[in-house]
Amino acid sequence: QSVLTQPPSVSGASGQRVTVSCTGSSSNIGAGYAVHWYQQVPGTAPKLLIYDATNRPSGVPDRFSGSRSGSTASLAITGLQAEDEVVYYCQSYDNVVAHVIFGGGTKLTVL
Amino acid sequence: QVQLQESGPGLVKPSQTLSLTCTVSGGSISSGSYYWSWIRQPAGQGLEWIGRDHTSGSTNYIPSLRSRVTMSIDRSKNQFSLKLSSVTAADTAVYYCARAQGENGWYYFDYWGQGILVTVSS
Repeated sequence: QSVLTQPPSVSGASGQRVTVSCTGSSSNIGAGYAVHWYQQVPGTAPKLLIYDATNRPSGVPDRFSGSRSGSTASLAITGLQAEDEVVYYCQSYDNVVAHVIFGGGTKLTVL
Repeated sequence: QVQLQESGPGLVKPSQTLSLTCTVSGGSISSGSYYWSWIRQPAGQGLEWIGRDHTSGSTNYIPSLRSRVTMSIDRSKNQFSLKLSSVTAADTAVYYCARAQGENGWYYFDYWGQGILVTVSS
């Protein structure tokens, strides 16, 4: 059971918008620790998608955006494309366990 | 462009020690700006952070593995390593090395190795 809770799956129609939530608590996201997002194509290493909740590394399309409010962070993907149909993970830090934590991952299906 | 590459045995016997090395190219491991980390992923499951090392000698490991994990950095070879002792089948996973950027507690993983599958079996 992950400290950060993500929905196991989300779906959206091609071209539409979808959001992936990452729910934490007062010892991690709610405490103000940074939230980061990764995209993982099956069989490959995760790739940094969003860092510090809202920032995109160079090369990441602006279709991907992040936000946070209270103990929850969200990843939004607009203009859904077939290539977006992979797994997304959130990551933060928890001051109770005192280490990096990951969400359980969310599989995105593009309809 | 920074690149990381894991290496080591793909098969380890139960009760033995898993030893992996991560070679960093395109950048110096001696830069004090980064933490050097190991993350693993059992088949079909999510990511688990194992721990991180820093050139200052500061290490931090996940509590559940702390008694079995040792990480170290070899500046002369631009490599860092992971040793996990007394392995069981539960340690079977793809192991990733990764560079962490940012302050302790706030960092993110900006570069990853391709991953290496380690199977624990007799």
